[in-house]
Amino acid sequence: GAVVSQHPSWVICKSGTSVKIECRSLDFQATTMFWYRQFPKQSLMLMATSNEGSKATYEQGVEKDKFLINHASLTLSTLTVTSAHPEDSSFYICSACPDRGTYEQYFGPGTRLTVT
Amino acid sequence: AQSVTQPDIHITVSEGASLELRCNYSYGATPYLFWYVQSPGQGLQLLLKYFSGDTLVQGIKGFEAEFKRSQSSFNLRKPSVHWSDAAEYFCAVGLDKIIFGKGTRLHILP
Repeated sequence: GAVVSQHPSWVICKSGTSVKIECRSLDFQATTMFWYRQFPKQSLMLMATSNEGSKATYEQGVEKDKFLINHASLTLSTLTVTSAHPEDSSFYICSACPDRGTYEQYFGPGTRLTVT
Repeated sequence: AQSVTQPDIHITVSEGASLELRCNYSYGATPYLFWYVQSPGQGLQLLLKYFSGDTLVQGIKGFEAEFKRSQSSFNLRKPSVHWSDAAEYFCAVGLDKIIFGKGTRLHILP
């Protein structure tokens, strides 16, 4: 149980285009999902907290107009990287929290984004 | 400031040997504590977690961790490692938001 999927698993796009990444909780409902970014050989950095039915909460230094987050349902959150640039190339990971009381998160397998 | 420190970037142990990965944290209150493992091409998998109660926590794959409040530590241990344990290990702490350490890459010698 507690499976989280991400789609696509990898994507290559041209500079200036937008890319949408989906995060789905497959067997549970998640009122809260998180989006992380992981640089090579580094830790996960929280980008934003996505709450179903409300606006996402972005961490300091994360451009909300560049990284658009939509949490349309209890099982789906999307991250759209707008006007992507090569420096946006990274590994993006989402997680879903079935129970805010325990703060336990289940992670997706990640999406490798390469902007050329 | 809230932080998580994993002092060892790389650790190499022989297969069958014991393992201890260190984790220290700085947090305003006692947070929830986690250890995750990340294998190449796979998502983070939760090994174990500590919320309260017994400070020695048993996890999956034969791992355990001990919470020591006085030392603000939550070290991960395994009595005998297997080649399949080679991966990146992350300590994480938090409440509504989780902070991750920088990770420790574990290498296993045959």
